[in-house]
Amino acid sequence: QVQLQESGPGLLKPSETLSLTCTVSGGSISGYYWSWIRQPPGKGLQWIGYIYYSGSIKYNPSLKSRVTISVDTSKNQFSLKLSSVTAADTAIYYCARGYGDGMDVWGQGTTVTVSS
Amino acid sequence: QSVLTQPPSVSGAPGQRVTISCTGSSSNIGAGYDVEWYQQLPGTAPKLLIYGNGNRPSGVPHRFSGSKSGTSASLAITGLQADDEADYYCQSYDSSLSDSYVVFGGGTKLTVL
Repeated sequence: QVQLQESGPGLLKPSETLSLTCTVSGGSISGYYWSWIRQPPGKGLQWIGYIYYSGSIKYNPSLKSRVTISVDTSKNQFSLKLSSVTAADTAIYYCARGYGDGMDVWGQGTTVTVSS
Repeated sequence: QSVLTQPPSVSGAPGQRVTISCTGSSSNIGAGYDVEWYQQLPGTAPKLLIYGNGNRPSGVPHRFSGSKSGTSASLAITGLQADDEADYYCQSYDSSLSDSYVVFGGGTKLTVL
């Protein structure tokens, strides 16, 4: 069965760039949409954006100016970059499979803290 | 605040039926976009519970059902069990800006009394 695993630094300083990778195992990255979602401590979910395996992309308008999502089909991975981070970007970051028809497979999440 | 509005909390006794509402507007649910529902148990990632307004993924008990009408949607849980205690989120799509994008409700904490 398909499993997702997020990886990347857990602690950043303000103004740095957040970089996370999601590795897809047990299945192919081809043929699906792949999303990033975050959850600030004690708060709800916020969709960051998605990438289709062929490269089509859509971002949350509120984050669009700072977000880049990319895919590497040869490694079965997709990635998130969020620039100029602040304390407000402190959250659990999840990667997930899907867009329409819901996000049906989720990673366990990785905590990213922004602090000076 | 969230584009989709959910009650912060609901509660029910074991065996009872509870419903969680998700209210949107003409730019999201009312525009015909599907609603999905997720269950997030404490300390875990969300799990897809309902997709396409009322469809259950394989493995989700029939106790969970979803419906949609106008600018709102609802999640119903019958035969409430202790391990249903979790946060529940609705999700849809919004086209109030130049393109459609994913929006979530603020989440509802279900307490099993």
